[in-house]
Amino acid sequence: GNSVTQMEGPVTLSEEAFLTINCTYTATGYPSLFWYVQYPGEGLQLLLKATKADDKGSNKGFEATYRKETTSFHLEKGSVQVSDSAVYFCALQNTGGFKTIFGAGTRLFVKA
Amino acid sequence: DVKVTQSSRYLVKRTGEKVFLECVQDMDHENMFWYRQDPGLGLRLIYFSYDVKMKEKGDIPEGYSVSREKKERFSLILESASTNQTSMYLCASSSGQDQPYEQYFGPGTRLTVT
Repeated sequence: GNSVTQMEGPVTLSEEAFLTINCTYTATGYPSLFWYVQYPGEGLQLLLKATKADDKGSNKGFEATYRKETTSFHLEKGSVQVSDSAVYFCALQNTGGFKTIFGAGTRLFVKA
Repeated sequence: DVKVTQSSRYLVKRTGEKVFLECVQDMDHENMFWYRQDPGLGLRLIYFSYDVKMKEKGDIPEGYSVSREKKERFSLILESASTNQTSMYLCASSSGQDQPYEQYFGPGTRLTVT
């Protein structure tokens, strides 16, 4: 079946450090891939997405590249800020499907 | 601005009570979803609906039911609340057009069953 595996947290970084959160997936066909972010006390919101192999999604300084050969969609940011502290969810959606499969989430703490 | 609202942010109920969680979206979306969020488990789909009066079981429907009488409203019902249903409940909606279907989430209801 379809599944998403992401690195366990929490991840603790100092401000301006480089961020990588690993995400790998298992799916039939060619799913779309997403990163959602959940700030404290809020629901999830879409951060970025990619719909086909080698696509790069980007938003707010975050990037992720859809790698079909390694079934991965790792999230990166060159310089994190305290305001990036949140929980990050990797997710996939099969073509034509309404359902989205979410990973367990990775909590990020950024220290000033 | 897109909006999904949930009736309560925090709720405390007793074991055996019937509990209603309400969700309303103002985007005219066809699809609506109920998830529960637990530490280390991420989001697990309870039920979803792709049209008025239509519903489909998700991955963990046991102990829950849903109702969708109007397009904008999707209710989650705990028929007889139990302590293992203490959790954060998230409602989401998505359009039925324009794949992939981005989901829009409400702020969540933290339910405690004592």
